[in-house]
Amino acid sequence: GQNIDQPTEMTATEGAIVQINCTYQTSGFNGLFWYQQHAGEAPTFLSYNVLDGLEEKGRFSSFLSRSKGYSYLLLKELQMKDSASYLCAVRPPNQAGTALIFGKGTTLSVSS
Amino acid sequence: ETGVTQSPTHLIKTRGQQVTLRCSSQSGHNTVSWYQQALGQGPQFIFQYYREEENGRGNFPPRFSGLQFPNYSSELNVNALELDDSALYLCASSLDGSNTEAFFGQGTRLTVV
Repeated sequence: GQNIDQPTEMTATEGAIVQINCTYQTSGFNGLFWYQQHAGEAPTFLSYNVLDGLEEKGRFSSFLSRSKGYSYLLLKELQMKDSASYLCAVRPPNQAGTALIFGKGTTLSVSS
Repeated sequence: ETGVTQSPTHLIKTRGQQVTLRCSSQSGHNTVSWYQQALGQGPQFIFQYYREEENGRGNFPPRFSGLQFPNYSSELNVNALELDDSALYLCASSLDGSNTEAFFGQGTRLTVV
């Protein structure tokens, strides 16, 4: 079966650092994705991890531990525009391309 | 800007009716997937098409069907609409292979009354 867990809501203040965790139990693994989705808009790609370790891209970093079925998204120097839903998604091993299993998303609220 | 476009943006249908949603993939992308996203939930995978053939399907009944055309544009058809089909329907495209990101369209908001 497939199960992806992430916190429902998080709050933080401008300029702070926040870490959004994601744990997954899937029958196999072929990559983990993080997407950002503002209300009423399409999800936009943030990061992709397939090997263990940290991937850094500007203010955003993503970490993966395949043995623990665990990932996190780290957002630094938070800005008000970072208020959005953050979606963790896993691509099963028997799929390629755009077939992803998503978590329910974490709604992040950034206040001044 | 992702380049994936969906139409229409909003749609209201009556229970029992049929609906067709359309998606134009980003230029050169030959793989497309459709997702259903209920309010406050993550997207749920419906199915994927690669070079005009379905090559993956999620836990959705057969009344959800699709097509991919030679130009890689795609349709999602839903028959016998139910109230629970009310959701945002997202299309995502990618250039084949397993190590590429999926680009999403803005979605079609379907309301079934």
